Amino acid sequence: QKEVEQNSGPLSVPEGAIASLNCTYSDRGSQSFFWYRQYSGKSPELIMFIYSNGDKEDGRFTAQLNKASQYVSLLIRDSQPSDSATYLCAVLNRSGGSNYKLTFGKGTLLTVNP
Amino acid sequence: DAGITQSPRHKVTETGTPVTLRCHQTENHRYMYWYRQDPGHGLRLIHYSYGVKDTDKGEVSDGYSVSRSKTEDFLLTLESATSSQTSVYFCAISEGFGYTFGSGTRLTVV
Repeated sequence: QKEVEQNSGPLSVPEGAIASLNCTYSDRGSQSFFWYRQYSGKSPELIMFIYSNGDKEDGRFTAQLNKASQYVSLLIRDSQPSDSATYLCAVLNRSGGSNYKLTFGKGTLLTVNP
Repeated sequence: DAGITQSPRHKVTETGTPVTLRCHQTENHRYMYWYRQDPGHGLRLIHYSYGVKDTDKGEVSDGYSVSRSKTEDFLLTLESATSSQTSVYFCAISEGFGYTFGSGTRLTVV
């Protein structure tokens, strides 16, 4: 069974600090990796995706991928209280034929303290 | 969420009754998914569809069935609701890459 593992947290950082969220996955054949943010009582929303080894930056967010180590991370620079949410790591896997599906980790709860 | 709606948003039902949740999209996306989200378990795939009348099981499909007779609608049916099916249900759509989620249905089985 394809697995995606995240530290459930909670991860608590002060405002302005860098928050680092980590994720490992079991399927070496995985091609694409996603980070979703979910506020309490709301639906998940896509914030970043990455499919090549290395770093990908988008504003205050940086996704990092290391396929050899089967590791993906999300860095949030200059953390704000509005970043307080659960962050879900997701991995895209082939599910047979030409179909794909996302497998999610259980999420890491991030709290940014003013 | 733009282009995807779930109904109802909230429902309370009794054990043993059938329940149908609806997901409607206006994006003409090929792929549609039903997930449930529970504390300590995260998002788990129930069923998914890759086209009209084409569906497949996910990791937690027991006790659930789905139908997709039109591109825009994906129905999830709990054939005989049990308390273990109390959960938040999310529908998602995709054209093969990132997913867009609906607002969710909170279902309580009493």
